Amino acid sequence: DGGITQSPKYLFRKEGQNVTLSCEQNLNHDAMYWYRQDPGQGLRLIYYSQIVNDFQKGDIAEGYSVSREKKESFPLTVTSAQKNPTAFYLCASSWQTSGSDEQYFGPGTRLTVT
Amino acid sequence: GENVEQHPSTLSVQEGDSAVIKCTYSDSASNYFPWYKQELGKRPQLIIDIRSNVGEKKDQRIAVTLNKTAKHFSLHITETQPEDSAVYFCANGNYGQNFVFGPGTRLSVLP
Repeated sequence: DGGITQSPKYLFRKEGQNVTLSCEQNLNHDAMYWYRQDPGQGLRLIYYSQIVNDFQKGDIAEGYSVSREKKESFPLTVTSAQKNPTAFYLCASSWQTSGSDEQYFGPGTRLTVT
Repeated sequence: GENVEQHPSTLSVQEGDSAVIKCTYSDSASNYFPWYKQELGKRPQLIIDIRSNVGEKKDQRIAVTLNKTAKHFSLHITETQPEDSAVYFCANGNYGQNFVFGPGTRLSVLP
């Protein structure tokens, strides 16, 4: 289903704990992205990566960290420094370096922090 | 920073009627304009896109129009069906720059 997967689908954590969201793609895409979606809002870019071992901050990177050790994988860590982490997180990938081509989205992870 | 305005935020139409959603962008360098559909609890999926060298593109009941001078583009859905009910997001982008997404339009098609 789409070649890009995220796990788990639902995630529950206690406040103060770090949590890592998984994103894997088998589309051989160079670029990968993490977005946050809140109710009634659009998609806001957290981090993106255009190539292995390189990534850049998006619009709302504070309290998040990423790594890109393999082309297929782009995990996102939500740290305890993120003040309002409860949200729906979407991972995406694309052939070209951002901005000019279709982005393929994963099914999302709904994170709830209490 | 760059932003995209999207209107209306909610839209209800009777089945069989047409629906139009409009987006206005600020980055004059944008050259790629996709539209994504997101059904409840699911991932956004591309339904149609247009590049800046084209003014209109159609795919069956869906069309997109682009006015680069006025910096707006619109999604047109004709003969709406209940399965068209979803949230629709516009976006704009340019090579080397990330997408900017609109806030979304919740479309409800009433039977």
